Amino acid sequence: QVQLQESGPGLVKPSETLSLTCTVSDGSISSSGDYWGWIRQPPGKGLEWIGSIYYSGRTFYNPSLKSRVSISVDKSKNQFSLRLSAMTAADTAEYFCATTSLAPGYFQYWGPGTQVIVSS
Amino acid sequence: SSELTQDPAVSVALGQTVRITCQGDSLKTYHAGWYQQKPGQAPILVIYGENDRPSGIPVRFSGSGLGNTASLIITGAQAEDEADYYCNSRDSSGDHVVFGGGTKLTVL
Repeated sequence: QVQLQESGPGLVKPSETLSLTCTVSDGSISSSGDYWGWIRQPPGKGLEWIGSIYYSGRTFYNPSLKSRVSISVDKSKNQFSLRLSAMTAADTAEYFCATTSLAPGYFQYWGPGTQVIVSS
Repeated sequence: SSELTQDPAVSVALGQTVRITCQGDSLKTYHAGWYQQKPGQAPILVIYGENDRPSGIPVRFSGSGLGNTASLIITGAQAEDEADYYCNSRDSSGDHVVFGGGTKLTVL
C-alpha cells in the first residue's frame, strides 16, 4: 500500500514562501499512480484543493491560488513538492498530499497532513 | 459553476439508513467522490465513480447520482460512521478539482 508523508516548516512568516515535500514510500512514485495533489484544510473548516500534477508533469492549480502556487515532481527522489508564495494568515491550515491509481480527482491515498501556521 | 453544495449537518439513528447529498453543475458530467474524515485524521475515500468502493470500505457505504445531485448512502449506520463527509469532483472544465463544504454526520 502506498504511504505518503508530508514534510516542511510548521511555521512561516507572512509574505514568505511555503515549501512542502511529499515523500512516497512502499513503492515507486512511478507506480503509485499518475496523478498527485495537494489539499489543505484551515482550522475548523473544509477541504480545499490546491493543485495537482500528472506523471507527465502537466499541472493544474486552483484558480484562486494559481498566481502563488507551483507543484513539481522529482521521480528520482520519489517526491513531489508544493510551493506557495506570499503567505498570509489565511493560508494557515493542515496541508495534505494525496495520490490515486483511480481516475484523476479521486484521492485514494493521503498523507497524515502537516500543520502550517503563518505568523510573525 | 464550480461549486459543490452539501448540507452542513445530518443525523441518523443507530442502524438506520442515511443519505448525504451533494449538488453542483459538475456532477452532470463527473461522478462524485466521497470522503470520510474523523477529527485529527486524513480523509478516507469511501466511494468513487458511479458506485465503487475502494478496498476495505464496508459494503454499507454506497453512492448514487442523478442530474446535478450525488448521494452517499449509509445503510445501517454504525457509531463509528460518525464523522465529517466531503464530496468532490472535477469541475466542468475537467481540469480542476472541487470539494463540497462537508456534512457532519451524527449517529444517535
